[in-house]
Parts: sequence; C-alpha cells; structure tokens
Amino acid sequence: QVQLQQSGSGLVKPSQTLSLTCAISGDSVSSTSAAWNWIRQSPSRGLEWLGRTYYRSKWNNDYAVSVKSRITINADTSKNHFSLHLNSVTPEDTAIYYCASGVTFFDYWGQGTLVTVSS
Amino acid sequence: SYEVTQPPSVSVSPGQTASITCSGDKLGHRYTYWYQQKPGQSPVVVIYEDIKRPSGIPDRFSGSNSGNTATLTISGTQAMDEADYYCQAWDSSTSYVFGTGTKVTVL
Repeated sequence: QVQLQQSGSGLVKPSQTLSLTCAISGDSVSSTSAAWNWIRQSPSRGLEWLGRTYYRSKWNNDYAVSVKSRITINADTSKNHFSLHLNSVTPEDTAIYYCASGVTFFDYWGQGTLVTVSS
Repeated sequence: SYEVTQPPSVSVSPGQTASITCSGDKLGHRYTYWYQQKPGQSPVVVIYEDIKRPSGIPDRFSGSNSGNTATLTISGTQAMDEADYYCQAWDSSTSYVFGTGTKVTVL
C-alpha cells in the first residue's frame, strides 16, 4: 500500500516560489513502473494536472503547458520523496495541491495542501 | 487541447440508479477513469480503464465508454455515495484531462 505525505508552506507571497514535498512510503521514487505527479484543485480551474517525474533508466519530466515555464519537479532518491517548485506565483495559483502516484491515472493521493498566494 | 464535460449535478433517491456522463470528442477511443471526492478529502479512483473497479470499491459502481460518452453508474445508490465525481482521460498527446465534476446528491 503506497502512502504519500505532503509537506510545505501553505502561504506564499506573490512573485515568490511555491515549494512542496511529497514523501513516499510503500514504493520507491526510482521505481521503473511508477510516475509521481502534482495536481492542483481550485474553484476556478477545477482539477488540473501540473506535471510528473519518473525514472526509466534516466529521470524524465513532463509538465502541463499552462505552467511549463514556471515549474520544476524533481526527485530525491536518498529521501524517497519528490518535490514541486512553482515560481513567479500569482493569486491565480491559490489552490489545494496534491501529490499523486500513477502513470495513466492516479491511484494514490497525498492529503492535499492548501496554498494561498497573498502578500 | 482536449476537453471533457460533465453535468454539474445529478440527484438520485436512495436505492435508485445514478448515471453520470462524461463527454468528449471520440472519448470512446481513450480510456476513462472516474474519481469520487468527498468534502475535505482527496479524490479516490472508483473506476479505471473504463470498466474496472479497484479492490475495495463496491460493485454498485460500474462504468462504460463508447462513442463520445463515458458513463459512471451507481446502482442502488446509498447516502454514503453523495460526493463529487470527476472523469479523467489520458492520451500521449494531451496528457491528463479532468472533467469539470458532477455533484451527486442523494435525496
């Protein structure tokens, strides 16, 4: 049973960087059959997939077009976790952020982190 | 970009059948997935690859997908099924797309 535990700041100032981490138990971030995703949810945008990282003999990343210029997702194998960094945030980035595992769909989810962008 | 649409709300009486649709161009050519989300909780997958149920999901949940429409059916709806339901499609070109969500109310 995979469990995902999120951590990170719930309040970010405009123009700064949003950073969240997702700790994995029950699987490895380096698994060659898994993918590790970030998804957000807001009243205005609904559920929105942001991006993923996965290992297939090398590390790969895919990002949503809507955030591609501002997002980085990376993995830390020593801590078995992966992280989201979204820079130059605006109030439009206010949302609940989830980490989730899955390749074609999302079978395990973190508990969600409400991130508010406000000065 | 690819889009899928859902009705905003569906109402159903206890014990009756609720049907939630998800529409998109040639959606039947792609796998569709369904998630249940209760207030304050993370989404939970209830149907994957159109018709499959994860372990632990009651068999009153079923799915179908053909043409331009995928359908999640809840047979013998119970009060505990009251939640928001989201469809999701995936393909290699559009990546992951979520529907707008349907609120199921059990009256």
